[in-house]
Amino acid sequence: EDQVTQSPEALRLQEGESSSLNCSYTVSGLRGLFWYRQDPGKGPEFLFTLYSAGEEKEKERLKATLTKKESFLHITAPKPEDSATYLCAVNRNDYQLIWGAGTKLIIKP
Amino acid sequence: GAVVSQHPSRVICKSGTSVKIECRSLDFQATTMFWYRQFPKQSLMLMATSNEGSKATYEQGVEKDKFLINHASLTLSTLTVTSAHPEDSSFYICSARDLTSNQPQHFGDGTRLSIL
Repeated sequence: EDQVTQSPEALRLQEGESSSLNCSYTVSGLRGLFWYRQDPGKGPEFLFTLYSAGEEKEKERLKATLTKKESFLHITAPKPEDSATYLCAVNRNDYQLIWGAGTKLIIKP
Repeated sequence: GAVVSQHPSRVICKSGTSVKIECRSLDFQATTMFWYRQFPKQSLMLMATSNEGSKATYEQGVEKDKFLINHASLTLSTLTVTSAHPEDSSFYICSARDLTSNQPQHFGDGTRLSIL
């Protein structure tokens, strides 16, 4: 069964304290893994798409990596404005995504 | 970046009312639109997928007569919650994607629906 599991469920960091969020997946034939950021009361905001193991993408303090079984979202020297829920999803087929439950990231000043 | 506009952002209405939510892709052609429901502190739950000009495909357990979806053009999809009841109160989010360009889904900002 296709499945996406994110960990930890919640993560509290001090400003400047780097860490990583994990997204483990099982899917028959990966057609893309997506990272989104969601702020309270808002829709998810697209961050990255990764297609093949070994691929990496960066945006400001965020870096996403992909292996055959999981993806990591590394956050370097985070700031309070990076606080949000980070969602991971994989393509079920050409149309639909399977979503993880998300990691709520809180960065304390 | 791609912009998806969802309206209204918040609705409060009485039980038995039907509520229509609009989702528009502002700068790209959305061949496919998705409607999600999200409960507090939970992830997105896909309700249905609609392709322009076709009937929507509903996920298991989602009543198609309760949640009417219309995707009449490449830039507009609507979700109508018919005869809404308090248990329909939730956060509804739409997303849109242009499959011809291999772009990811882009989301609207959601509609908070409260049924009294």
